[in-house]
Amino acid sequence: SQQGEEDPQALSIQEGENATMNCSYKTSINNLQWYRQNSGRGLVHLILIRSNEREKHSGRLRVTLDTSKKSSSLLITASRAADTASYFCATAILTGGGNKLTFGTGTQLKVEL
Amino acid sequence: NAGVMQNPRHLVRRRGQEARLRCSPVKGHSHVYWYRQLPEEGLKFMVYLQKENIIDESGMPKERFSAEFPKEGPSILRIQQVVRGDSAAYFCASSPISGGEVLGYTFGSGTRLTVV
Repeated sequence: SQQGEEDPQALSIQEGENATMNCSYKTSINNLQWYRQNSGRGLVHLILIRSNEREKHSGRLRVTLDTSKKSSSLLITASRAADTASYFCATAILTGGGNKLTFGTGTQLKVEL
Repeated sequence: NAGVMQNPRHLVRRRGQEARLRCSPVKGHSHVYWYRQLPEEGLKFMVYLQKENIIDESGMPKERFSAEFPKEGPSILRIQQVVRGDSAAYFCASSPISGGEVLGYTFGSGTRLTVV
């Protein structure tokens, strides 16, 4: 099963509203990252939050991390039509084989005018 | 400062042919990762390479798939004797040396492989 699972799978909101996406994971992590993917394109890194951090901001983005619940949330404030994309969380775990990111299943966000 | 360059963007192969996907990482990045994405799904890890070394290939099928990242030139993901189930988008990503921490990846635009 996925290390990271996003909720909801799909979200449709009006421009100007806030969008909240959640991510749950199963094992201990070093950090958690959020990425955006526009249709037909590669992923773009948005923000990284370390396991010893609880909250982080970047522009209109706010990320929280609760390691006791193994969950994270991404809040996009004052959404715009250009925010329409799929959003993925990814967890970083140091393993014996080196380090890599494991991606969740994604939330498809649609922001309507 | 160019990002991750993948080519070709689209590749059509008949069943049984070979597919060769190329990835040039961000200049100065020494870690390369390959992921596969099926429509409406997330990314599935395939392989993690550093120059001339495969670090983790736990996500790569044992048969028909291979990857390399030579000292000179791009990283190559090679799929031999392709089948329809190999049709997917293949993404390459790179990251710098991190001192033990996994930092943000820079992704390429992907290669969309269609097997007919």
